[in-house]
Amino acid sequence: EAQVTQNPRYLITVTGKKLTVTCSQNMNHEYMSWYRQDPGLGLRQIYYSMNVEVTDKGDVPEGYKVSRKEKRNFPLILESPSPNQTSLYFCASAGTLNNEQFFGPGTRLTVL
Amino acid sequence: GDSVTQMEGPVTLSEEACLTINCTYTATGYPSLFWYVQYPGEGLQLLLKATKADDKGSNKGFEATYRKETTSFHLEKGSVQVSDSAVYFCALGHLQGGSEKLVFGKGTKLTVNP
Repeated sequence: EAQVTQNPRYLITVTGKKLTVTCSQNMNHEYMSWYRQDPGLGLRQIYYSMNVEVTDKGDVPEGYKVSRKEKRNFPLILESPSPNQTSLYFCASAGTLNNEQFFGPGTRLTVL
Repeated sequence: GDSVTQMEGPVTLSEEACLTINCTYTATGYPSLFWYVQYPGEGLQLLLKATKADDKGSNKGFEATYRKETTSFHLEKGSVQVSDSAVYFCALGHLQGGSEKLVFGKGTKLTVNP
């Protein structure tokens, strides 16, 4: 089954404790992206990647890092999480931007 | 920069009512336009898309036409069902200087009552 998986689905952590949210897709897609969803703000792009070793900032990259060492994986790293990063995070992948973007189920992160 | 503006919700309708959710965009060049739907507790799913002016996207009874002259991509359905209750997002994808990204509107929550 074609899918995008994210782990963990739920995470509660404390300020400053480094964490990684994993994202993996099994569709051999070149394009992958991370978004955060906040009430009243919709989805905002954090980082995206056009292919292995190619990443670029989205609209709200501050406080986040990503890497694309393999085509299927695109982890989101929060080196020092802060409460304003409490949000619902979605990973997505696509063959090309004009094709359908497949979204993961989301990761709800709470930073205390 | 690119932006998408969609009507604010929430929108509450009775079953079999007509639906229109307005979406307008600002972008240079020729973006692709999308409508995504998010059912409660789930990720986003592509509902329909259009890649050039005058294209009509359609799926599950929903339609939207890419209007370049009015920079709009309004979502319509003639008769909504309870199962259409969800949050709907308008989005555009645009190639900028060799990089691509998707820009979303803020979403419109639709509730359909029996």
